[in-house]
Amino acid sequence: DARVTQTPRHKVTEMGQEVTMRCQPILGHNTVFWYRQTMMQGLELLAYFRNRAPLDDSGMPKDRFSAEMPDATLATLKIQPSEPRDSAVYFCASGLAQGLHEQYFGPGTRLTVT
Amino acid sequence: SQQGEEDPQALSIQEGENATMNCSYKTSINNLQWYRQNSGRGLVHLILIRSNEREKHSGRLRVTLDTSKKSSSLLITASRAADTASYFCATDVPTGFQKLVFGTGTRLLVSP
Repeated sequence: DARVTQTPRHKVTEMGQEVTMRCQPILGHNTVFWYRQTMMQGLELLAYFRNRAPLDDSGMPKDRFSAEMPDATLATLKIQPSEPRDSAVYFCASGLAQGLHEQYFGPGTRLTVT
Repeated sequence: SQQGEEDPQALSIQEGENATMNCSYKTSINNLQWYRQNSGRGLVHLILIRSNEREKHSGRLRVTLDTSKKSSSLLITASRAADTASYFCATDVPTGFQKLVFGTGTRLLVSP
């Protein structure tokens, strides 16, 4: 049963600390997406990779956020330094660039910055 | 900005009743997809309708698409308490980037 995995599932940290979230996309998928979900803003696209190359990170605050795919099995999203307004659920999703572009979501990382 | 907006924002019904959710979008699309999100979970793909299709069925789900009105509806028939979740429409926009634009979601509560 192939699925997207994310770690950690929950993270509580203090303002100013670095936060790293990890995602393992479904094997064979060549697109990876990072989303942030809050009550106020809903689901926002932060970054998008295709074949490990970043294609669109226009939704990501560049001064503190960074996203990478060191290899095809790992995507990371880092926040440094973290701020209370970064508190949200961060989702990773993967899919195929070919075809109908369905996305498969991970369970999310619930981040709380105090 | 978000492409899709769901209507209503929240819907409360009894088990056995039908639930209808609507989605409006702004630009041309390749396809439109509906996702479900249970509380505390990630989104799960439910059904996809291509831009050249007008109606599609999957089990108790029925999706319609009207590209002239830039709108879609999701009908859940004979609802169950387990259908309680948020439902999102997502549009696959022909930008070449293969990314989806998600709507604001409808929160559905099905009471036993």
